[in-house]
Amino acid sequence: AQSVTQLDSQVPVFEEAPVELRCNYSSSVSVYLFWYVQYPNQGLQLLLKYLSGSTLVKGINGFEAEFNKSQTSFHLRKPSVHISDTAEYFCAVSVGGGTSYGKLTFGQGTILTVHP
Amino acid sequence: DTGVSQDPRHKITKRGQNVTFRCDPISEHNRLYWYRQTLGQGPEFLTYFQNEAQLEKSRLLSDRFSAERPKGSFSTLEIQRTEQGDSAMYLCASSQKQGNTIYFGEGSWLTVV
Repeated sequence: AQSVTQLDSQVPVFEEAPVELRCNYSSSVSVYLFWYVQYPNQGLQLLLKYLSGSTLVKGINGFEAEFNKSQTSFHLRKPSVHISDTAEYFCAVSVGGGTSYGKLTFGQGTILTVHP
Repeated sequence: DTGVSQDPRHKITKRGQNVTFRCDPISEHNRLYWYRQTLGQGPEFLTYFQNEAQLEKSRLLSDRFSAERPKGSFSTLEIQRTEQGDSAMYLCASSQKQGNTIYFGEGSWLTVV
C-alpha cells in the first residue's frame, strides 16, 4: 500500500520569503502526485499535479514542485510567498491509472503561515 | 462549470439519527468520489463511482454507511445510526477521466452530539 509523509506539520515564514513544503511517498508502483491547498472551512483546490514527463511541474499561484523518483519526493516550492498563501497544503498520491486514478492517499497536511 | 456542489454544508445531529448528504458533480464528469476528513488530518478515501456503478469501497465505510449514484449524476451518502466518531467533513470530488483534474466540493460538516 502507498503512503504519504509530509515532513513538517507547520511552516511559518515571512512575506516575500521563499518556502518549501516537503513531501515523501512510498509506493512499489508508479504513482501520480498532487498538491492541494485548503483554506479554512473550504474544500480542496488543486495547485499542481505530476502525471508523467518533465519532473518540474508548475502550478497555479506561482507554486512549483519537483518529482524526484530516486528520493521518492515531491516537494512544493514558491520563491516569494504572500499573506494570501496562508492555508493548509496537502500532498497526495494516486497509484497507477484506470479506476484507481482518483483514489488519492493524502498526507497529514502542512499549515503554512505567512507573517507580515 | 459551476463546480462540485454539496448539501448541506453543515449538519448537527443527535447520536443515533440518520443523515444524508448530497453531491452534485460537475456536469459530464463520470467519476465521483467521497472522502472523509477529520480535524487535523488529510482526507481519506471512502468510495468511488464511475457513472452509476460503485466500483470501490474503503474499509472505512462500515455497514452504517451507504452511497448511491442512481442515474450517474448526483450522489448521496447516508449514515445510519450516527456515532460521535462520525463527526467529520465529508468531501465529494469528481473528474472526467484519468489524468484530468479531480475537483473537490466545499464539503459537508457533520457534528454528532
